[in-house]
Amino acid sequence: DTEVTQTPKHLVMGMTNKKSLKCEQHMGHRAMYWYKQKAKKPPELMFVYSYEKLSINESVPSRFSPECPNSSLLNLHLHALQPEDSALYLCASSQDDRPTYEQYFGPGTRLTVT
Amino acid sequence: SQQGEEDPQALSIQEGENATMNCSYKTSINNLQWYRQNSGRGLVHLILIRSNEREKHSGRLRVTLDTSKKSSSLLITASRAADTASYFCATDPDMNRDDKIIFGKGTRLHILP
Repeated sequence: DTEVTQTPKHLVMGMTNKKSLKCEQHMGHRAMYWYKQKAKKPPELMFVYSYEKLSINESVPSRFSPECPNSSLLNLHLHALQPEDSALYLCASSQDDRPTYEQYFGPGTRLTVT
Repeated sequence: SQQGEEDPQALSIQEGENATMNCSYKTSINNLQWYRQNSGRGLVHLILIRSNEREKHSGRLRVTLDTSKKSSSLLITASRAADTASYFCATDPDMNRDDKIIFGKGTRLHILP
């Protein structure tokens, strides 16, 4: 199974809502990533978890809160978002966090903040 | 910070023709990867080429790396409609303190029927 799954596929939320994005992989990968991608732009790294510990936070605003409950699951908790946070949110995993390994991406969650 | 810069930004070719995309980068690298992204979907890894390699093949894909020019090219031969996608290079800089790859801006490829 070389699949990374993400739920939901689409999410519309108001600026006062709290929601969560979920990501799951069963490849035994020990590194998991959250990326944000705007239209016609490359993915921007947000967070990296390595062996279930947060190893990289790219100075992401605190309204985004990542969580790694176990080695297969990655969540992104959203609270008090702004319209400019609307984007495609991609989850990825790799064997470990060394950049010699390819990353496997999920299909993404299309987030719209109203 | 942007490391890779793809060229051209957009490319339209007829089905069956070859498509060539280039990636230039600024600092020395350990390796370079190419990814494909179909519209609104996740990225798919295509090829990883290490700094001591000059060329790699995978099916209809050919990747070259010229470390002296700090550039890489991705050639797709006998293009098909399904090759319509955005293509990103991603580099692992030599002085990579954070162990993260850095994506270029991407080339949008459109295969015309």
